[in-house]
Amino acid sequence: AQKVTQAQTEISVVEKEDVTLDCVYETRDTTYYLFWYKQPPSGELVFLIRRNSFDEQNEISGRYSWNFQKSTSSFNFTITASQVVDSAVYFCALKGGSQGNLIFGKGTKLSVKP
Amino acid sequence: NAGVMQNPRHLVRRRGQEARLRCSPMKGHSHVYWYRQLPEEGLKFMVYLQKENIIDESGMPKERFSAEFPKEGPSILRIQQVVRGDSAAYFCASSQYSGTLSYNEQFFGPGTRLTVL
Repeated sequence: AQKVTQAQTEISVVEKEDVTLDCVYETRDTTYYLFWYKQPPSGELVFLIRRNSFDEQNEISGRYSWNFQKSTSSFNFTITASQVVDSAVYFCALKGGSQGNLIFGKGTKLSVKP
Repeated sequence: NAGVMQNPRHLVRRRGQEARLRCSPMKGHSHVYWYRQLPEEGLKFMVYLQKENIIDESGMPKERFSAEFPKEGPSILRIQQVVRGDSAAYFCASSQYSGTLSYNEQFFGPGTRLTVL
């Protein structure tokens, strides 16, 4: 079975704090892909990153960084020096190699207060 | 290069009416996916279509829901005799070709917010 768990339902931080959003996944596929999406209050889905199962290198993009660890089936997302504009719901998603669709976690609502 | 288009963006229906949601994939994309997002929840897969074919409808409710992707024109998600529990955001995504054996990026539309009164 394929599953994505985002245990943190809501997180509230003060601007400039660092924050890590957790994502744990389950799959039996040896080839799979992991994603993070941002859903701001306006409702659209904004693609942030895709990772494939063969590439465990961590990635940094500006204030965003991702830590992929196959040993713990985790793909965590860290925002450094958070800003109010980072306030959104963040979704982690999984696509197994044998399926077409994405499987989403329930999301983590991040509130960044000034 | 236009992205995935969905219309209407907001749709209000009374219980028992029909809802038709449209999705125009990105140019050159022949695969469409529909997802539903209930309030305070993540997106749940409903159906995956290729032109004139339903590839996977394992996430589709058995009754009242249907989807099509004709040779010409947009993909349509049709909900008959809507009930209050159908109120949700419905997202469409498109990809260039099959996503089963290899990754092929899905681009999401802005969603249709359906409200059933």
